[in-house]
Amino acid sequence: QSALTQPASVSGSPGQSITISCTGSSSDLGDYNYVSWYQQHPGKAPKLLLYDVSNRPSGVSNRFSGSKSGNTASLTISGLQAEDEADYYCSSYTSGFTLVFGTGTKVTVL
Amino acid sequence: EVQLVESGGGLVQPGGSLRLSCAASGFTFSSFVINWVRQAPGKGLEWLSSISSSGISIYYADSVKGRFTISRDNAKNSVYLQMNSLRGEDTAVYFCAREGYDSLTAYNFPGLDYWGQGTLVAVSS
Repeated sequence: QSALTQPASVSGSPGQSITISCTGSSSDLGDYNYVSWYQQHPGKAPKLLLYDVSNRPSGVSNRFSGSKSGNTASLTISGLQAEDEADYYCSSYTSGFTLVFGTGTKVTVL
Repeated sequence: EVQLVESGGGLVQPGGSLRLSCAASGFTFSSFVINWVRQAPGKGLEWLSSISSSGISIYYADSVKGRFTISRDNAKNSVYLQMNSLRGEDTAVYFCAREGYDSLTAYNFPGLDYWGQGTLVAVSS
């Protein structure tokens, strides 16, 4: 199972919105709406931001939103803040009953 | 409070074995799928394995199939990862993580909502 494809880095200024893409295939992201997004700060465990494409767990800011079209899912961070500087990963359920992660995107707040 | 605590990491020689443990608390452990995920130094997340609540359904990533074995003991609220034939590329922080659960709708989803702090495995001679 190949990793989902994400841009290596995305940057934005405070207050701006940025979008991170996550591209898979018909055997994972394209066939299931079980896409999750995670935020990871250095030296920390990942934190779940979104599940099932666009659902936010309790306590996650509504500045984080998600969508999906075909084989590509997207995470949008609106009102970018300094604390949003971190690595972001998507994941998808697959046809083999496994999970696959994206390659990861480093978000820099300028 | 949901907690997952990994242990058992350390330095091991290539070809050696190690058994990781994941101790859970704060939720009905026997009702949840548990996963193992690793992260090599400076690299991304890699899903390794999952085990169903009963332990009957088990899945592995191709990279560890045949070398790693996942198991669980619901009486001890613990999941284990037996790692054999270790290689340098297995050097990583290993996390255990719980499948997601939406308590408002009593819905389990294939995302990972709680993670342990990780345990470092270093494979080197």
